[in-house]
Amino acid sequence: DAGITQSPRHKVTETGTPVTLRCHQTENHRYMYWYRQDPGHGLRLIHYSYGVKDTDKGEVSDGYSVSRSKTEDFLLTLESATSSQTSVYFCAINDRMNTEAFFGQGTRLTVV
Amino acid sequence: GIQVEQSPPDLILQEGANSTLRCNFSDSVNNLQWFHQNPWGQLINLFYIPSGTKQNGRLSATTVATERYSLLYISSSQTTDSGVYFCAVGISGTYKYIFGTGTRLKVLA
Repeated sequence: DAGITQSPRHKVTETGTPVTLRCHQTENHRYMYWYRQDPGHGLRLIHYSYGVKDTDKGEVSDGYSVSRSKTEDFLLTLESATSSQTSVYFCAINDRMNTEAFFGQGTRLTVV
Repeated sequence: GIQVEQSPPDLILQEGANSTLRCNFSDSVNNLQWFHQNPWGQLINLFYIPSGTKQNGRLSATTVATERYSLLYISSSQTTDSGVYFCAVGISGTYKYIFGTGTRLKVLA
């Protein structure tokens, strides 16, 4: 299995609070992604990174920011969590554009 | 943007039956993957198959990129095959993967 660790695995937070999710990889892969999964929508891309300090928006980026200061870590931040951000968040990695991607185990976030 | 459609949306089988899942996409893609999401939510890589045919045990997949579809075959299904099957396509010239909405499979003992 690809070495991808997401933390925390579960989190409950209150509306309006900041939340940071972490994705850590041991594969030295260049590309990292954050997706969210909601019923009826499948997985949707939030942000992705194509290198250290190189990031770009996906299809559902509003309300989220990301940072990548090291190859191995990709952070997703909700500056002020809302109930609509209750979801399961997945991190993914791959080593080159358009190659096989591998996913972490997911983080279940509940905003109350 | 590119559309990825999977069919059927739901499927119920008796153990031992065979099935075919389909993934249609609306534009040219550079790659395609099939995943199985098990009942615990984990996404498991099944196939990386931008074109051609691959087999892995009871599962096989075929992608015909020129006709913009891929098929996943499951033979002699087992209860452990239950879950949701997703296809995801890589958009040409970008780093992005777009997922279909999945096929939910339930295999009955």
